[in-house]
Amino acid sequence: GQQVMQIPQYQHVQEGEDFTTYCNSSTTLSNIQWYKQRPGGHPVFLIQLVKSGEVKKQKRLTFQFGEAKKNSSLHITATQTTDVGTYFCAGHNSNYQLIWGAGTKLIIKP
Amino acid sequence: KAGVTQTPRYLIKTRGQQVTLSCSPISGHRSVSWYQQTPGQGLQFLFEYFSETQRNKGNFPGRFSGRQFSNSRSEMNVSTLELGDSALYLCASSLSSRAYEQYFGPGTRLTVT
Repeated sequence: GQQVMQIPQYQHVQEGEDFTTYCNSSTTLSNIQWYKQRPGGHPVFLIQLVKSGEVKKQKRLTFQFGEAKKNSSLHITATQTTDVGTYFCAGHNSNYQLIWGAGTKLIIKP
Repeated sequence: KAGVTQTPRYLIKTRGQQVTLSCSPISGHRSVSWYQQTPGQGLQFLFEYFSETQRNKGNFPGRFSGRQFSNSRSEMNVSTLELGDSALYLCASSLSSRAYEQYFGPGTRLTVT
């Protein structure tokens, strides 16, 4: 079935280093959404991208939606301890089903 | 606006029993989706309801069922519980089932012994 592959599964970084997670869909998506789940919490909506090639920024976070609307990335510059958590991407397919990536867990090394 | 609420927050059940979980969406939201999350796993989609109709269903056995009421509140039921059903069950609401962001509740932590 249709799936969204998200990599890496885990990423360990030193505080202050950058972090990137990638999502790739087997088919074209109508949009891509990003969510963050803090440890012990529930997913919280971060942003939605709709247009081909769209780039949006939220402070140190940069979100991109690919030209073919099949891939997306989230980049965090100069990570902080507050960035710890699991980042999920999700996109609606042509049947309006929301397909989720498996998530990337960001771990800050002590 | 009040957020998505789920009750109960924690539940311990015995294998073979059944359980009903409840979700109240954000006021005005008509779509409710349910997810299962196990430790280290992503979000496994169970089903989505919109205006009391099931719009989408994930790959879960028939022991998992749900419904939505006219006020958009939703319940999910799991019958004949198995140890593997132990998980965090998350409910999410959105304005519509189409292309809107989802707002999650805090979840119900179900433990099956």
